[in-house]
Amino acid sequence: QVQLQQWGAGLLKPSETLSLTCAVYGGSFSGYYWSWIRQPPGKGLEWIGEINHSGSTNYNPSLKSRVTISVDTSKKQFSLNLNSVTAADTAVYYCARGFVDSSGYYYVYYFDYWGQGTLVTVSS
Amino acid sequence: SYELTQPPSVSVSPGQTARITCSGDVLPKQYAYWYQQKPGQAPVVMIYKDIERPSGIPERFSGSRSGTTVTLTISGVQAEDEADYYCQSADSSGRVFGGGTKLTVL
Repeated sequence: QVQLQQWGAGLLKPSETLSLTCAVYGGSFSGYYWSWIRQPPGKGLEWIGEINHSGSTNYNPSLKSRVTISVDTSKKQFSLNLNSVTAADTAVYYCARGFVDSSGYYYVYYFDYWGQGTLVTVSS
Repeated sequence: SYELTQPPSVSVSPGQTARITCSGDVLPKQYAYWYQQKPGQAPVVMIYKDIERPSGIPERFSGSRSGTTVTLTISGVQAEDEADYYCQSADSSGRVFGGGTKLTVL
């Protein structure tokens, strides 16, 4: 059974850097994309970006200038850094496993396992 | 980048059928996926590749596609189905969620 467990600071001041880490237990670490997704209070889901086991990344263009996602395959962990945070970055942040299959006619990609979520509040 | 559009809310009485739509120009070219999210919980995938149901998901949940619209159908809605539902799609460089639909069971 695959489990994702995430942790990081829950309260930040404006202009600080948000840092979260997600550990993967069970299952393979390679062959998947490892994503960060956030959800502002009372709002919808927003994909932030992803990384695979070899360090290849994709980012949401709207956040790309402030986001860095890194991976430590030896620990089966991946991390999110979001710099220069503002109140608009207040959200529950989730890590998730992206199941990907590009072998067929259509590209397959969905999130099959999620972390428990971390509420990050940005306030002065 | 592309957008997926969902109705903000759908209401249905217990035992009736709920249909939640998701529209987007990308959908004829990419699969759609559906997630259920209950308050305080992480989303759970309910439908993948437009119509496939993961193991453990009740048969009353089904998916369909027609042109630029995909639909999540919940037959015989139960009180426990009250939740937010999100569609999602992806191409080789990005992943996008719809805005979400709140399903209310009257």
